[in-house]
Amino acid sequence: NAGVTQTPKFQVLKTGQSMTLQCAQDMNHNSMYWYRQDPGMGLRLIYYSASEGTTDKGEVPNGYNVSRLNKREFSLRLESAAPSQTSVYFCASSHNQPQHFGDGTRLSIL
Amino acid sequence: SQQGEEDPQALSIQEGENATMNCSYKTSINNLQWYRQNSGRGLVHLILIRSNEREKHSGRLRVTLDTSKKSSSLLITASRAADTASYFCASLTGNQFYFGTGTSLTVIP
Repeated sequence: NAGVTQTPKFQVLKTGQSMTLQCAQDMNHNSMYWYRQDPGMGLRLIYYSASEGTTDKGEVPNGYNVSRLNKREFSLRLESAAPSQTSVYFCASSHNQPQHFGDGTRLSIL
Repeated sequence: SQQGEEDPQALSIQEGENATMNCSYKTSINNLQWYRQNSGRGLVHLILIRSNEREKHSGRLRVTLDTSKKSSSLLITASRAADTASYFCASLTGNQFYFGTGTSLTVIP
């Protein structure tokens, strides 16, 4: 049972490039989330999807888009990457409570 | 920002001692959860306390919640080297989770 799987684990981009981070869960959870984790800041919510077909903005959505492709998959897209988006990105899923997290994607933008 | 704060930022103790970390949050909550993060890994859920509860226990973990002060504490008793990790509180308001800034715990064998 894999839980929440994120790909890729590491990525380096140049400013202005685009990229999609993938997330899939095999626990049949309704809700999925994308967070970013920066040093000293804890986790901040970028977007979430309460159910298949719905998405909502979190605390820091600017510069990102998401797609809830089906119940299992929730992707995060950076259309034009900026150095300020260098961070570790975590995907999580839940059915009511609590959240289950993937191991993160470490993204560096030069 | 509605991000919570935790203190201390870092805590170093000897194996067998108790570790206490505190969390403050900013808005009314549905519940508050504590998570643990080992280096390079995702967060793992430890314990949940609902807004109408004041204290909860799970194994060596004890969580308290004071909604009048918008604060919570996590106590880990009889700590072990394997407890070395970062610990985060997360408050649930509506459909959104707001995480604290984390406490880095080091347990020295």
